[in-house]
Formats: sequence, C-alpha cells, structure tokens
Amino acid sequence: ETGVTQTPRHLVMGMTNKKSLKCEQHLGHNAMYWYKQSAKKPLELMFVYSLEERVENNSVPSRFSPECPNSSHLFLHLHTLQPEDSALYLCASSQAIIFTSGGHNEQFFGPGTRLTVL
Amino acid sequence: DAKTTQPPSMDCAEGRAANLPCNHSTISGNEYVYWYRQIHSQGPQYIIHGLKNNETNEMASLIITEDRKSSTLILPHATLRDTAVYYCIVPNAGNNRKLIWGLGTSLAVNP
Repeated sequence: ETGVTQTPRHLVMGMTNKKSLKCEQHLGHNAMYWYKQSAKKPLELMFVYSLEERVENNSVPSRFSPECPNSSHLFLHLHTLQPEDSALYLCASSQAIIFTSGGHNEQFFGPGTRLTVL
Repeated sequence: DAKTTQPPSMDCAEGRAANLPCNHSTISGNEYVYWYRQIHSQGPQYIIHGLKNNETNEMASLIITEDRKSSTLILPHATLRDTAVYYCIVPNAGNNRKLIWGLGTSLAVNP
C-alpha cells in the first residue's frame, strides 16, 4: 500500500452514534492533517499533527476528537454529531508543516471519507 | 491573510492548452504559491508550486508575474482526465503552518 489511505470510504451514522475515521500514510512524513470539505465551501483545516503532537486546532467542536498514536496513523473520533457535520473528511500528510520560504511542502491527500449524519 | 481569486469555471478543448489564472495580490515575499487539483470523488492532488521563478514539471507549468501578484497554471495538452477543480493556494500570512484554500476553478475538458 502506498500513499495515504483512509477508511471507511463511506459512513452513515445517527446523531447518537460513536464512530472513528482512520488515516494511514506510507510516505514517512512527519505531519498529518484532518480537513473538512462541505459542498460549495473551501477546504477547512481541522487539526494538524507534527511528530504526533497536535499543533493546530482550528476551533473545531469537541464532538470531533483527533488521535495520533504514531507518525503514520491518524484517527478522528466522532460522537453526537449533527446533520451539518455531513461532509467529505480528508486526511493529508506532508514532510513538514511550514509553508513559507525554504519550507515548501506538498501535501498528499487520501481519498476521503464521505460522512452522512442522519 | 493572503487570499486568491480564481474564475469559478473554464472550458478547454481536448489537446489544447489550458491556462488557469489566479490573482494573489496580497501575497508576501516569502510565500510560495501552490497549485492542487481535485478530480471528482478523490482527494486533492499536488501539481506544482513556485516562489518567483517560472516552474515546470511533468504535469504542468507555472508562470508567476514579476510582481508576484498573479500566476497562471498551464496544462500544455489538456486531456479528458484533466477535468477537475484546480486550486491556487497561498499560506496564511499570520500562520505559516496553514494553507488558505478557496473554491478553485472547475475546468471542463471537452472532446
């Protein structure tokens, strides 16, 4: 397996369920990201991990709980979600997390998990 | 925050060059411009990036104006598989660990 993989690809859950999204990267990168992509909206950065430490948390509701047990794996634990949380959730990785001069960094994305909250 | 402006949609004939413009007039001197694309039902894919010189790789060419306020992504011979949403992205001026994504340009390559 190469690149960034995400499971499941599709998920339907009720508002009272608890589920987890999984991301795995096989690129030896040090940084991993969770993004949310809603219809007709730009990608929203949710969380950033660098060397397993969370370095960004962009005002994401506590019903989303990330976990990064090692530099290759990233989870997003979901509980008591709302219908407006329905979206495509994308995981990405990069070698480092700085995007300015001298630190150019392409992000590699997984295929995403299409989440529907009923 | 540096932000980008792109046309919402463009069309291109198969085999012709696709030229996708982007305005980033508030970009700072040390901020790279990144281009990604997203094919339907897939995650975004990195294409190319640049600082102030023109860049070329196996996927595309990037032309950056001398004042760095705009750039153009060129797909020299567009194919049907190039139909996608193309994003021109710059870092967040206040936080160089974030990229600011817009809505991109939806490119339709027609046979």
